[in-house]
Amino acid sequence: AQKITQTQPGMFVQEKEAVTLDCTYDTSDPSYGLFWYKQPSSGEMIFLIYQGSYDQQNATEGRYSLNFQKARKSANLVISASQLGDSAMYFCAMRDFDDMRFGAGTRLTVKP
Amino acid sequence: DSGVTQTPKHLITATGQRVTLRCSPRSGDLSVYWYQQSLDQGLQFLIQYYNGEERAKGNILERFSAQQFPDLHSELNLSSLELGDSALYFCASSVDGGLFGSGANVLTFGAGSRLTVL
Repeated sequence: AQKITQTQPGMFVQEKEAVTLDCTYDTSDPSYGLFWYKQPSSGEMIFLIYQGSYDQQNATEGRYSLNFQKARKSANLVISASQLGDSAMYFCAMRDFDDMRFGAGTRLTVKP
Repeated sequence: DSGVTQTPKHLITATGQRVTLRCSPRSGDLSVYWYQQSLDQGLQFLIQYYNGEERAKGNILERFSAQQFPDLHSELNLSSLELGDSALYFCASSVDGGLFGSGANVLTFGAGSRLTVL
């Protein structure tokens, strides 16, 4: 069974607007971590934000925030005030006791 | 520069051949992870080593093997290469205690080794 699901293969957003990238996960472990990574066209994987399963507050890092809904097992990434440089692949990942797995990714394109 | 060094950056070889990919983790990190990213399968977890010991194994083929040396660098060996092995191979490292469930230990990725099998 898929542990991490990203249902949006591609997304478009206008520059300066906010965008939400969806991620749902599945695990039976009570302790797990959720991560978002960005992969620009140059290929490197850049860590953006982390949310722990016991964290009460949603994580925020600058223009990135993670909308964590534990009961629904979702961990959506919200990017505010999109910039042209945000155009990239975005991967959601979950780390539980077994391993750390990545979703299939969402390609975000920011339009000027 | 993430601090994780992968060599070579690019590699072109023929089917049936064997290659070795090398990874030096970030200073202080004890765990090394290998991932394969191909166009049709996304990012696939292959294997993890912690302080020289294998900790977790994912979708790694029997033709592939890896090890982590006492100086903590790691090598991924790919043998009897097939066209479908063409992919970007990432190494990542973390400082964690070796258990995936230890939460906030972020994986730092290297720039990847792009393997093309002709």
